[in-house]
Amino acid sequence: DARVTQTPRHKVTEMGQEVTMRCQPILGHNTVFWYRQTMMQGLELLAYFRNRAPLDDSGMPKDRFSAEMPDATLATLKIQPSEPRDSAVYFCASGLGQGRRNEQYFGPGTRLTVT
Amino acid sequence: DQQVKQNSPSLSVQEGRISILNCDYTNSMFDYFLWYKKYPAEGPTFLISISSIKDKNEDGRFTVFLNKSAKHLSLHIVPSQPGDSAVYFCARRSRDAGGTSYGKLTFGQGTILTVHP
Repeated sequence: DARVTQTPRHKVTEMGQEVTMRCQPILGHNTVFWYRQTMMQGLELLAYFRNRAPLDDSGMPKDRFSAEMPDATLATLKIQPSEPRDSAVYFCASGLGQGRRNEQYFGPGTRLTVT
Repeated sequence: DQQVKQNSPSLSVQEGRISILNCDYTNSMFDYFLWYKKYPAEGPTFLISISSIKDKNEDGRFTVFLNKSAKHLSLHIVPSQPGDSAVYFCARRSRDAGGTSYGKLTFGQGTILTVHP
């Protein structure tokens, strides 16, 4: 049963600290997405990669957020320094990026609380 | 510019009845609409999709209708079951400027469906 995994599932940190969230996409998927879910904004796309290359990170605050794919089995999202307004659930999703249906498969999310 | 809108934050339905979830969109540049279902503490899961060239797609109890002239789509669940209680998101898949689709999705705000036994 192939799944997207995310770690940690929960993270509580103080304002100003660095936060790193990790994602392991489904083996064979070449497109990886990072989303953030908040009550006010709903599910918003932060960034996505295809074949490990960043395609679009326009949804991400550039001054504090960074997303990378060190290899095909790992995607990371970093926030430095973190702020209370970053509190949200962060989802990673993977897919094949093309095709008729092209659904994305989501991980369980990382719930981030910045105090 | 919110391009996908779900105007009903919640919907309550009796078990066995029809659930109708609605979604409006403002931009016609898409090739697929997708519906996702989300349970608490889990990520969204794919439910059903519809191509821009179709007006209906059916999969078991789930049917999605697309009205391009009204820029409106709806998800029908018949009959509704208590296990269908979840948040439902509609999402639009768009293409980049070169016409290539990498699967980028724009989501609506979601509708909380509660199905009462």
